[in-house]
Amino acid sequence: AQKITQTQPGMFVQEKEAVTLDCTYDTSDPSYGLFWYKQPSSGEMIFLIYQGSYDQQNATEGRYSLNFQKARKSANLVISASQLGDSAMYFCAVSSPSFGNEKLTFGTGTRLTIIP
Amino acid sequence: GAGVSQSPSNKVTEKGKDVELRCDPISGHTALYWYRQSLGQGLEFLIYFQGNSAPDKSGLPSDRFSAERTGGSVSTLTIQRTQQEDSAVYLCASSFYQDNEQFFGPGTRLTVL
Repeated sequence: AQKITQTQPGMFVQEKEAVTLDCTYDTSDPSYGLFWYKQPSSGEMIFLIYQGSYDQQNATEGRYSLNFQKARKSANLVISASQLGDSAMYFCAVSSPSFGNEKLTFGTGTRLTIIP
Repeated sequence: GAGVSQSPSNKVTEKGKDVELRCDPISGHTALYWYRQSLGQGLEFLIYFQGNSAPDKSGLPSDRFSAERTGGSVSTLTIQRTQQEDSAVYLCASSFYQDNEQFFGPGTRLTVL
């Protein structure tokens, strides 16, 4: 089995500040993928960033970066210079061969609120 | 281009009735997934289709749930004899084979009274 833990149910951050959303995972597979998705109030899931377990460098996509610490099984999402539009639910997810590479296991999410 | 579409957007039904939820994936995507999101929870995997292969049904919670995918495109998720615990948002996603990114639809909010 694989498990994702997001320990921050809610966060409030001042606009323009950086924010780190925590994610730890538990999988026994040596090869796996880590994902972050954003879910605004509209309900649609928006892909943000992907990190492969064998990638040497931390993934970055614009203002999003993934702080990947393999030994600690940690994959925190960092959002730089937060904006009001970043207010949403954020979900961490993992895929691994033993669970079926294509299927994602999601955490319970963190609700991020950006304060003007 | 068109994204993943789902219909209906909202469905209210009475306990014991059957419901059908539809998903139109992105054209050309060979993989299609169904997930369920209960209130305040993350997404729970239900079923996965890949091309003409047999679907992975390992996430279906009971035999009241079934899904089919016709012609490698449109998929229908059927819930028979609905129960109140089936109330959730049902999300569909599609992707290219073994691609990392799954593209999600807007979901169908199912309410069982």
